[in-house]
Amino acid sequence: GAVVSQHPSRVICKSGTSVKIECRSLDFQATTMFWYRQFPKKSLMLMATSNEGSKATYEQGVEKDKFLINHASLTLSTLTVTSAHPEDSSFYICSARLGWGTDTQYFGPGTRLTVL
Amino acid sequence: QQQVKQSPQSLIVQKGGISIINCAYENTAFDYFPWYQQFPGKGPALLIAIRPDVSEKKEGRFTISFNKSAKQFSLHIMDSQPGDSATYFCAASSRNTGNQFYFGTGTSLTVIP
Repeated sequence: GAVVSQHPSRVICKSGTSVKIECRSLDFQATTMFWYRQFPKKSLMLMATSNEGSKATYEQGVEKDKFLINHASLTLSTLTVTSAHPEDSSFYICSARLGWGTDTQYFGPGTRLTVL
Repeated sequence: QQQVKQSPQSLIVQKGGISIINCAYENTAFDYFPWYQQFPGKGPALLIAIRPDVSEKKEGRFTISFNKSAKQFSLHIMDSQPGDSATYFCAASSRNTGNQFYFGTGTSLTVIP
């Protein structure tokens, strides 16, 4: 099956620093990747949609200058949380879609970000 | 506005019993309905999915029932096992809106031995 990895799985950083999270599709090329945020015992909240080679599309209320998304290749998308603050602490999950016109999203294992 | 409504919020089932989780939607343009299983600290894993041209789909112990006229779909877990204890999310998407997933609020399932 389609496998999506994320790195790191956990990160703790000081307030004001930037953190980069990588999302890779290991055995397929993903034209589209999605970034979600999930609070404890809550559903997944879509942050942005990332298409390879173009700018990400951010959901309403998500600061694009704070959450920088880059989809430089068909197997890699990165999310950089800039100048992180404690309120950015959350579980960040990426997903990847196999190709244009396909429906299924395969999710990564998630990254737990804790900002002190 | 919650595009997909999911119930119940939590569910406790005896081992061997049937777990039933329900979802309802409003947007008739939705054309793909997956169910995901999520364990604590892990990403969601695709369980089973259905399209509106069929009323039921079964994969092992998992069955989706789909009622297009009522705009409802449900997940049935037969012979529930303690290992099924997890949070389950339904979702819906439409090719008209770029296949963006609209997730339900999740159901925490506990299967007691």
